[in-house]
Amino acid sequence: QVNLLQSGAALVKPGASVKLSCKASGYTFTDYYIHWVKQSHGKSLEWIGYINPNSGYTNYNEKFKSKATLTVDKSTNTAYMELSRLTSEDSATYYCTRAGGRVMDAWGQGASVTVSS
Amino acid sequence: DIQMTQSPSFLSASVGDRVTINCKASQNINKYLNWYQQKLGEAPKLLIYNTNNLQTGIPSRFSGSGSGTDYTLTISSLQPEDVATYFCLQHSSRPWTFGGGTKLELK
Repeated sequence: QVNLLQSGAALVKPGASVKLSCKASGYTFTDYYIHWVKQSHGKSLEWIGYINPNSGYTNYNEKFKSKATLTVDKSTNTAYMELSRLTSEDSATYYCTRAGGRVMDAWGQGASVTVSS
Repeated sequence: DIQMTQSPSFLSASVGDRVTINCKASQNINKYLNWYQQKLGEAPKLLIYNTNNLQTGIPSRFSGSGSGTDYTLTISSLQPEDVATYFCLQHSSRPWTFGGGTKLELK
């Protein structure tokens, strides 16, 4: 069955970076785009952007263009999102999700990022 | 960016009730509208895609409708396991945007 397994919770200091991972299994990794979504505590969802695992092409929400960097490692079926220059506003749960035909149909379990000194 | 206005924000209903949740887009989204269910502590789960297509494995009491700027998720007969927060998502144009969510509780 389709599974997206994300890395665990992270506690990071302001100004630092963090790299989240999302390991896909149960389907052909290069057949679906990987999207990332942010959910601030108790609030709604924000679309960060996506990556095409086959070509490496990325597309970002303008709001996250200088914050997030999406990459993949096809050899391990893993997608990554690096968040840089972290502030308290970046404290949230981040989800990876696969999309076929622009429909996000399977989601990782989420990774909590807490930015605190 | 397309704004998605979801209503109501909070909804209390009884088992067996018919429940409707609405999303209004700030411009025509050509039926590129999905609905997700998120239970406490879990990831969102796809219920309906492209306005009215039921995702595999989702009970038939869930349905979607709409066109243009106005869309609706309907639960025909509310069950206890439907307690959750529901979100709409437009994927008509980037950046994709979500509604603010509807928290559904049992009366």
